This record gives sequence, C-alpha cells and structure tokens, in this order.
Amino acid sequence: SYELTQPPSVSVSPGQTARITCSGDALPRQYAYWYQQKPGQAPVLLIYKDSERPSGIPERFSGSSSGTTVTLTISGVQAQDEADYYCQSADSSGTHGVFGGGTQLTVL
Amino acid sequence: EVQLVESGGGVVRPGGSLRLSCAASGFTFDDYDMSWVRQAPGKGLEWVSDINWNGDSTGYADSVKGRFTISRDNANNSLYLQMNSLRAEDTALYHCARLRRGKEDHSFGYVPYWYFDLWGRGTLVTVSS
Repeated sequence: SYELTQPPSVSVSPGQTARITCSGDALPRQYAYWYQQKPGQAPVLLIYKDSERPSGIPERFSGSSSGTTVTLTISGVQAQDEADYYCQSADSSGTHGVFGGGTQLTVL
Repeated sequence: EVQLVESGGGVVRPGGSLRLSCAASGFTFDDYDMSWVRQAPGKGLEWVSDINWNGDSTGYADSVKGRFTISRDNANNSLYLQMNSLRAEDTALYHCARLRRGKEDHSFGYVPYWYFDLWGRGTLVTVSS
C-alpha cells in the first residue's frame, strides 16, 4: 500500500522557521495537502494542492514540492502553532486518500 | 456557521454494531462528497470511507470493507456510518469530513485532487469486552 513518510517530531524556537517534510513515491504525480490538529480539536486544512492556502490561514504557513518530497514551512513560529501536522495525498489510482504518520511540532 | 457535528459513538463489545451520524450545517450539503476519517488513540489519521454527493458511489478502506456502510440523507443534511462486526482495532475517534475531489486538466495531462476541507471534532468509538 502507498505510504507517506513524515518525521515524528520537529522542534523550533519562537520566531524561527519550522520545516516539516513528507515523502512519497507518487508525490511527483499527485497533489499534497497539509492539516493542523491541536489536542481535542478537529483537523484544519492548512495547504491544498501543494501550495495553495485556504482563506483564513495565515501567510506564514506555506507549502512547496520537489520531486518525491513536499514541505510545510511555518515562518515566524508562534507558541500557538504547537500541534500535530499531517500531510495527505491520494493513492496512485487517485481514488482515496492516504495520510502521513503525523509530525508533532514543539515550540521550545 | 459552517460545521459538522458527529454523534453516536460509545462502548460496544467485539462483534457488535454501532451507527454514527454527522449533522452538517451552514453549507449546501448535497453539493459535496463526504467522508469518514478515524484516529486511533495516540495515532494518526486514517481514511475510512467516502460517498459522492447523491449517494450512488461509495468507497471503503480495505480494513473496513464488508463491515462498514456509509450513507447519506440529503433532505436532512446528514451523513451516516453503519459499523458491524466491530473489532478492537476499530477503536478510534471518528471524524466526519467534507471531501473535495476531482481532476484538473494541465498541459501535461490530468492531475487528480482529493482532500478534506472541513472536519468535525469526532465521536469516540470504543470496542472492548
């Protein structure tokens, strides 16, 4: 089955830039999406179609793609950004979604 | 307010059944495909099932195929998940999610898109004897 690989954890100091990667063989042919989930809350769509930002999402969240790796970049990290972040794409047939294992972002 | 609110979770014995519901509000429900996504305690997200806007096309993860049935009632803005033959590994928080999917025509060919743009907070299902 198709898999997306994320680092389990990333730590960053306030004001710095956090980068969370997601790797998958089909990513050159599929869009990637990113979600933020805080404890006890519903996931929130942060980035869609590799780099598009839904309305209401701050500009400091951005997405990029290069080959088999996509990256979520959070510029000027704030304490409120501490959360779990999940990448997602479609499987090779494009018929259902696949999630990465999630990355816990810690703001030091 | 645009929102999804799940209900129907609880504790059930292995082999038992449960029906989850999701109430949608603030948007035109039958304009959208819908999905269920679950999250086992302390684990990541897992797509479970999806249904198209009018209910005549459904999809299931291999882990639930043949045991779970997704359905919808557009007149009542509601999504459902009938779960039968439940197993301990089905224990999870079940989220209802609005699904955006299709294909974009690019110069190099079609590129599919498939993502969730609205989520509910979830309802907890615990399968335990």
